[in-house]
Amino acid sequence: EDKVVQSPLSLVVHEGDTVTLNCSYEVTNFRSLLWYKQEKKAPTFLFMLTSSGIEKKSGRLSSILDKKELFSILNITATQTGDSAIYLCAVDRSGGGADGLTFGKGTHLIIQP
Amino acid sequence: KAGVTQTPRYLIKTRGQQVTLSCSPISGHRSVSWYQQTPGQGLQFLFEYFSETQRNKGNFPGRFSGRQFSNSRSEMNVSTLELGDSALYLCASRPLSLSYEQYFGPGTRLTVT
Repeated sequence: EDKVVQSPLSLVVHEGDTVTLNCSYEVTNFRSLLWYKQEKKAPTFLFMLTSSGIEKKSGRLSSILDKKELFSILNITATQTGDSAIYLCAVDRSGGGADGLTFGKGTHLIIQP
Repeated sequence: KAGVTQTPRYLIKTRGQQVTLSCSPISGHRSVSWYQQTPGQGLQFLFEYFSETQRNKGNFPGRFSGRQFSNSRSEMNVSTLELGDSALYLCASRPLSLSYEQYFGPGTRLTVT
């Protein structure tokens, strides 16, 4: 059975800290791994990773994929209270959406001032 | 470009009733997927539609169904509601192409009493 496991499930840090969120997966016909940020309702897209070793970066957020070891990490540097959210990792098996995304349970990140 | 819209945003139903939720994808997107999000199970794939055809379905009972119209708008229906159907129902769209990320709508919060 396909599975996506995120760790830690929750994390509390202080503003300015750097955090690393983990996502490991076991899926058949892997196509891409996606990271989303969910604050209130709709998950908002952060990154899509398809190739190993190529870092994706957006401001203070960055992510990398290791297809050999089957995991990805999401880094957030110089955290701010606005980074508080649930971070979701998902794997796309089909590439065309036919099988849907398989999500992990998420990491609940709380940034304290 | 307008994002994915879902209606209604909140809904309260009683056990045994049925409900229909609506989703309008981003203009030009032809694929629409539905997900159920609960605290215990996280985000789970319900089904995906493309060009008015259901391409795949997740592990949900037959009480959950959907359809897509020629303008790509989609509806999902849940019949004979159970308490366990209380959840946030999210719709996501993507254009027809491989490896495109999905964009989520704000969701419909369904409460079954």
